[in-house]
Amino acid sequence: AQSVSQHNHHVILSEAASLELGCNYSYGGTVNLFWYVQYPGQHLQLLLKYFSGDPLVKGIKGFEAEFIKSKFSFNLRKPSVQWSDTAEYFCAAYRDDKIIFGKGTRLHILP
Amino acid sequence: DVKVTQSSRYLVKRTGEKVFLECVQDMDHENMFWYRQDPGLGLRLIYFSYDVKMKEKGDIPEGYSVSREKKERFSLILESASTNQTSMYLCASSFNGASTEAFFGQGTRLTVV
Repeated sequence: AQSVSQHNHHVILSEAASLELGCNYSYGGTVNLFWYVQYPGQHLQLLLKYFSGDPLVKGIKGFEAEFIKSKFSFNLRKPSVQWSDTAEYFCAAYRDDKIIFGKGTRLHILP
Repeated sequence: DVKVTQSSRYLVKRTGEKVFLECVQDMDHENMFWYRQDPGLGLRLIYFSYDVKMKEKGDIPEGYSVSREKKERFSLILESASTNQTSMYLCASSFNGASTEAFFGQGTRLTVV
């Protein structure tokens, strides 16, 4: 079945550490990819998206993600995290009018 | 600002009740979605609609139905609520086409007792 997989369910980091959250998808052909974030008590919001062109995409709050077609991956990165990045992060793929989400990664940043 | 509004933040219903969750968007989006969010399971698509009166099953449609009589409104119906439907329900909307993001409501936390 077509799916989106996130490798890490729970990540704990100290402030200023570098972050990489893994995401793999199983769709063939053209796929459009997203990372969403859900801060505590808030609704989901878009961090960044990839449709075509430069495989390195930059989003809000210093986040970026790299689309590697050969690896079916779209990993999220941030060079130096802050306490305010504590949230749940979801990778998602758009295909056939549907947006399918991964299971999410809870990120906890220690001050 | 895009606004997706869900009618209730919290609901408590009894087993066997018929439950309606309402969602309204104000951006003239063609697509609307209902997800449920459970810890460790992420967001799972229940139903979606790409036009008025059109609906498509998502990954977990069993026990649910939907209604889209107007473009701005998408309702999720639990015909006979059960305790395993206790969850957070999220509504989202987007324009047609892959190049747009989905906008989410605040969610409805439904507890079935």
